[in-house]
Amino acid sequence: NAGVTQTPKFQVLKTGQSMTLQCAQDMNHEYMSWYRQDPGMGLRLIHYSVGAGITDQGEVPNGYNVSRSTTEDFPLRLLSAAPSQTSVYFCASSPDRRLFEAFFGQGTRLTVV
Amino acid sequence: DAKTTQPNSMESNEEEPVHLPCNHSTISGTDYIHWYRQLPSQGPEYVIHGLTSNVNNRMASLAIAEDRKSSTLILHRATLRDAAVYYCILRDVWGSGNTGKLIFGQGTTLQVKP
Repeated sequence: NAGVTQTPKFQVLKTGQSMTLQCAQDMNHEYMSWYRQDPGMGLRLIHYSVGAGITDQGEVPNGYNVSRSTTEDFPLRLLSAAPSQTSVYFCASSPDRRLFEAFFGQGTRLTVV
Repeated sequence: DAKTTQPNSMESNEEEPVHLPCNHSTISGTDYIHWYRQLPSQGPEYVIHGLTSNVNNRMASLAIAEDRKSSTLILHRATLRDAAVYYCILRDVWGSGNTGKLIFGQGTTLQVKP
């Protein structure tokens, strides 16, 4: 049982480049979300989705896009990378928005130079 | 969602019980208490949740004060693998503004000594 799978695990980008962080879950969960974690700031919600075709913004959505075409996948796109987006990114899924039990991926460590 | 207060850090000896406290004096009647932990270089991991009654699962126990203004996560026998940051989170899971957001504070860093 794979759970939540994030790829890549590590990435270095140059300022202005774009890329997509992949997130897939095999638990048929309706709810998925993206967080970023910066030192001393805890995890902050970027975007979330309550089901295929439905997405919404979290606390820090600027510079990121998401889409949810299937239940399994929830990719996060960085449109034009900036050094301020250097962070560790976590994808999470849960059966529904009550989040009684959320499953997190192992994270993607992104460095923008 | 109501605010929680946790100690910044705690120490424990291996194979001894650990009691991790969380204060939430402004908790509302519909706030659930969730606990997650984050091991070094890993994503957060669900531990346990409860509303009013004490809860047990294979990982831990959750003791909730009668007035619900505080709770305690109990690890019955700490192992080195339990060294992590533990987060206590309150969520009104039925609230109309519920976006499904987990608000992670600073948590308690648990160190387990062999």
